[in-house]
Amino acid sequence: EAEVAQSPRYKITEKSQAVAFWCDPISGHATLYWYRQILGQGPELLVQFQDESVVDDSQLPKDRFSAERLKGVDSTLKIQPAELGDSAMYLCASSWGPGRQETQYFGPGTRLLVL
Amino acid sequence: DAKTTQPTSMDCAEGRAANLPCNHSTISGNEYVYWYRQIHSQGPQYIIHGLKNNETNEMASLIITEDRKSSTLILPHATLRDTAVYYCIVRVGFPNAGGTSYGKLTFGQGTILTVHP
Repeated sequence: EAEVAQSPRYKITEKSQAVAFWCDPISGHATLYWYRQILGQGPELLVQFQDESVVDDSQLPKDRFSAERLKGVDSTLKIQPAELGDSAMYLCASSWGPGRQETQYFGPGTRLLVL
Repeated sequence: DAKTTQPTSMDCAEGRAANLPCNHSTISGNEYVYWYRQIHSQGPQYIIHGLKNNETNEMASLIITEDRKSSTLILPHATLRDTAVYYCIVRVGFPNAGGTSYGKLTFGQGTILTVHP
């Protein structure tokens, strides 16, 4: 069964450092999502891509976060500089399209700890 | 956005049916109800979704009331591996340059289901 791949699974960094997370969606999935999940809360969308274009980044802290999906396949989420409050699980999800019946499939996530 | 209300936690005995309720009284006519679950330290897992009719798959059944203001997720024979946080989500649309897209899932706090031996 095809799965969404994410790496690394765990990352520890010091504040003010740069970190990057990678996501490889299920093959053929045009829509890719990055969510952030703070401990004890549900995931919250950071950015949504349709192919290589951003369609929703309204909740992305653009002063320090950036995301790209250059060839419309895999994607990278970057934080620079990292802050203590960025400690969270970063989840990637993908779907065939953005339609309301298109199921989103999630990867295992990257757990970030900022010291 | 339509919001959902779920109990904070529920218990269930192994082998029994687990019935997880969800209220979504402000749901609009074209909005789907989705259920996901998240086992500790893993990514959310899709369970089932529906619009107005009851749905069943290999994991669970979804019962939606006729007025669509509430729904119940049924795990027919709960096992210890079903212990997880269960999220009920109403998938809403958002406007973009091409019209309306139904993209993000808006997660609430969910229900912590604990299955006991």
